[in-house]
Amino acid sequence: EAGVTQFPSHSVIEKGQTVTLRCDPISGHDNLYWYRRVMGKEIKFLLHFVKESKQDESGMPNNRFLAERTGGTYSTLKVQPAELEDSGVYFCASSQVILEKLFFGSGTQLSVL
Amino acid sequence: AQSVTQLGSHVSVSEGALVLLRCNYSSSVPPYLFWYVQYPNQGLQLLLKYTSAATLVKGINGFEAEFKKSETSFHLTKPSAHMSDAAEYFCAVSRSSGDKLTFGTGTRLAVRP
Repeated sequence: EAGVTQFPSHSVIEKGQTVTLRCDPISGHDNLYWYRRVMGKEIKFLLHFVKESKQDESGMPNNRFLAERTGGTYSTLKVQPAELEDSGVYFCASSQVILEKLFFGSGTQLSVL
Repeated sequence: AQSVTQLGSHVSVSEGALVLLRCNYSSSVPPYLFWYVQYPNQGLQLLLKYTSAATLVKGINGFEAEFKKSETSFHLTKPSAHMSDAAEYFCAVSRSSGDKLTFGTGTRLAVRP
């Protein structure tokens, strides 16, 4: 069984550019979460999808971040325009029904220069 | 609001020695508590979770954690460290199944030969 897959694994962009991160959850997992870890600090929640609907987006930093989940399958997280403070590791996770076991991807390391 | 404090960002033990990683939480409701581990270049994996059943929780790879309400603690232990235990460990709390996780800042465990 394939795990949670994230693309790209690393992204280096300049301030002001746009970056799109992609997450492919485990097949059949309705719940998809985005988390972010900035500069070795704690991992912080960004948002939660149930199928294609945003269940909770209380952790999204500002309107430069846009998350979508097409047809309840894969999800994208777009940052436009990127700022220096957006650098960090973006994790995606999925679960089948409830938070019994969350499966995490290996993350996307985003560096904004 | 919930929070997690992990004492010690870096812990070093000798192979075969006891591993003790500390976690204290703050929660206004009975918490769900988790320990996750991240090995290099991998996603986070669930080690164990506490969901108000037994206070001593056994996880994978010989790890266990004890929930102590009076101390608001959920420390992770392993009797004998192995080189393969070298990784970063994260304690997390949530209010219920299905709710977002609040993570601590992580503890990096080094195991000396």
